[in-house]
Amino acid sequence: GAVVSQHPSRVICKSGTSVKIECRSLDFQATTMFWYRQFPKQSLMLMATSNEGSKATYEQGVEKDKFLINHASLTLSTLTVTSAHPEDSSFYICSARAVGGRNQPQHFGDGTRLSIL
Amino acid sequence: GENVEQHPSTLSVQEGDSAVIKCTYSDSASNYFPWYKQELGKRPQLIIDIRSNVGEKKDQRIAVTLNKTAKHFSLHITETQPEDSAVYFCAARDPDVTGANNLFFGTGTRLTVIP
Repeated sequence: GAVVSQHPSRVICKSGTSVKIECRSLDFQATTMFWYRQFPKQSLMLMATSNEGSKATYEQGVEKDKFLINHASLTLSTLTVTSAHPEDSSFYICSARAVGGRNQPQHFGDGTRLSIL
Repeated sequence: GENVEQHPSTLSVQEGDSAVIKCTYSDSASNYFPWYKQELGKRPQLIIDIRSNVGEKKDQRIAVTLNKTAKHFSLHITETQPEDSAVYFCAARDPDVTGANNLFFGTGTRLTVIP
């Protein structure tokens, strides 16, 4: 149980393209989803917290107009990297926390490796 | 908020030897401490966790210890195998943090088990 599906797993696209990444909780409902960015050999950096039915909460230094987050249902959150540039190339990972409060565990997706040419 | 530090950043051991990774946290209110294993290009996977009412927990070759007074916790892997090679992250959950995110990660330890 507690499977989180993230798509696509890999994206290679030209500079200026917008890229959408989906995060789905397959067998549970997630009030809250988290989006992380991970550079090579570094830890998970929280970008934003996505709450179903409300606006996302962005961490300091993360541009909300650059990284658009939508959490339209209890099983789906999307991250759109708008007008992507080479510096946006990274590994993006989502995680989902089940309904039930802040003490529920987080379950991670497989990640999306984004490469901007 | 919570600040989690993790050491060492890299660790190489011979197959069969033990590996120990240590983490410290700053907020004494933190009450849950999971450990994640991440293989290259894959998702972090929860391998073991411990709650603040327990001092030690073991699962086969993996064990975690918690010292609440000193605010540190450690991951112990015994009889290491090449497939244990990965990056390991510790984390601490702070129930007093406002906002939805209350899980804070360490900086990671790259473990290499040499056959």
